[in-house]
Amino acid sequence: DTGVSQDPRHKITKRGQNVTFRCDPISEHNRLYWYRQTLGQGPEFLTYFQNEAQLEKSRLLSDRFSAERPKGSFSTLEIQRTEQGDSAMYLCASSSPSYQETQYFGPGTRLLVL
Amino acid sequence: QQQVKQSPQSLIVQKGGISIINCAYENTAFDYFPWYQQFPGKGPALLIAIRPDVSEKKEGRFTISFNKSAKQFSLHIMDSQPGDSATYFCAASITPGTYKYIFGTGTRLKVLA
Repeated sequence: DTGVSQDPRHKITKRGQNVTFRCDPISEHNRLYWYRQTLGQGPEFLTYFQNEAQLEKSRLLSDRFSAERPKGSFSTLEIQRTEQGDSAMYLCASSSPSYQETQYFGPGTRLLVL
Repeated sequence: QQQVKQSPQSLIVQKGGISIINCAYENTAFDYFPWYQQFPGKGPALLIAIRPDVSEKKEGRFTISFNKSAKQFSLHIMDSQPGDSATYFCAASITPGTYKYIFGTGTRLKVLA
């Protein structure tokens, strides 16, 4: 078992460009969470899925952000028209049906918007 | 009410000493309290967690003490080692059953050899 994986690990983009990140959860984990972490802060909840259903979105997730989890496996997080304030580490976590309280985090995607 | 306040911001401990990190919350609906360890450039890794009906939980050198009436909980790292040098985050599940976490601001621990 390889754990939660995220791709890319680093992304540098110019303001106004669109970016997409991918998260592959641990096999058979039905819940998948996205968090954002800025320097010196704890992760902030963005959204989560149970299987393919997106159950909740934070107010932090503006209209420029969209997340999907087709077929209940991997998930993508897209940011449209990026702004410098979007620069952060984007973390994905997953949990199993039997132990939903235990979230396993991926290594994150560090985004820098110039 | 949707906050977890963590202290101290940074901590320096001698090898073999005890590291203590504290967190406080206000919302009594919080129902699960994990602690995560994060190394630079890595995602957080679960260390230990507790539910509010338990006052203490120990796993190896790590202990959580939970005071439900005071709405406080703390992480104790016994026999601290240089390899424990990392940032530690407390968290709370802010909606029962969803395990949507709210995190503290983190404590940067440095253990001197």
